[in-house]
Amino acid sequence: SQTIHQWPATLVQPVGSPLSLECTVEGTSNPNLYWYRQAAGRGLQLLFYSVGIGQISSEVPQNLSASRPQDRQFILSSKKLLLSDSGFYLCAWSRGSSYNEQFFGPGTRLTVL
Amino acid sequence: AQSVTQPDIHITVSEGASLELRCNYSYGATPYLFWYVQSPGQGLQLLLKYFSGDTLVQGIKGFEAEFKRSQSSFNLRKPSVHWSDAAEYFCAVALPMEYGNKLVFGAGTILRVKS
Repeated sequence: SQTIHQWPATLVQPVGSPLSLECTVEGTSNPNLYWYRQAAGRGLQLLFYSVGIGQISSEVPQNLSASRPQDRQFILSSKKLLLSDSGFYLCAWSRGSSYNEQFFGPGTRLTVL
Repeated sequence: AQSVTQPDIHITVSEGASLELRCNYSYGATPYLFWYVQSPGQGLQLLLKYFSGDTLVQGIKGFEAEFKRSQSSFNLRKPSVHWSDAAEYFCAVALPMEYGNKLVFGAGTILRVKS
C-alpha cells in the first residue's frame, strides 16, 4: 500500500530564516506531487505541483520554491521566511493519469515569528 | 473556468440528526467529483468519489453522495451524525492530466455537532 510522509510535523521559525519541508511517498512510482497551504480560517491553496523529476509548476507567485530531486520526494523551500508564510502545509500525491484522487500527508504546521 | 462552490461555511447539527452538505460545480466535461474530510490539525481523508455509473455513491464512515447532472450538484449526506463527524468537509472536481491532474476544491464547510 502507499503511504505519504511529511516532516517536520511542527516548525517555529523566525522571520528571515530559511525553510525546508520534505514530503516522501512510498509504494508507488512516478506519482504526481502537490504542495498546498492552508492559512488560518481559509481553504486550500495549491502552491506547486510536479508530474515528474525536475518538473515543477508554480500556481501562485510567492516567497516559496519547490524541488523534486527524486521520483517520490518533494521539497518545499524558502530562502527567507515572511510572517505571511505561516500556515498548515500539506503534501499530496496522485497517480500519474487523468482524473485521479489525491492522497494527503499529515501536514506541517509552520509558525513564523 | 472550473469551480466548486460550497455555499455553507458553517453547519451545526444535533447528534443523531441527518446531515446534508451542499456542493455545486462548474465544469464543461464529465466531472470527476470527490468529498474529503479534515479533522483539526490533520491531513485530508478521502470520503468518497464519483467517476461514472450509479449516481449515488457510498463512502466511508456511513457517508453517501448523490451526483445530479441537471443541478450540477454533488451533495454529501449522512442519515445520523455522530459527534466524531465534527470536522471540515471539502468538495473537489478533478482536472485532466494536461492540467496536472489538479483538483479544484471548494472553500470547505465546517460541521459542528451538538449533543
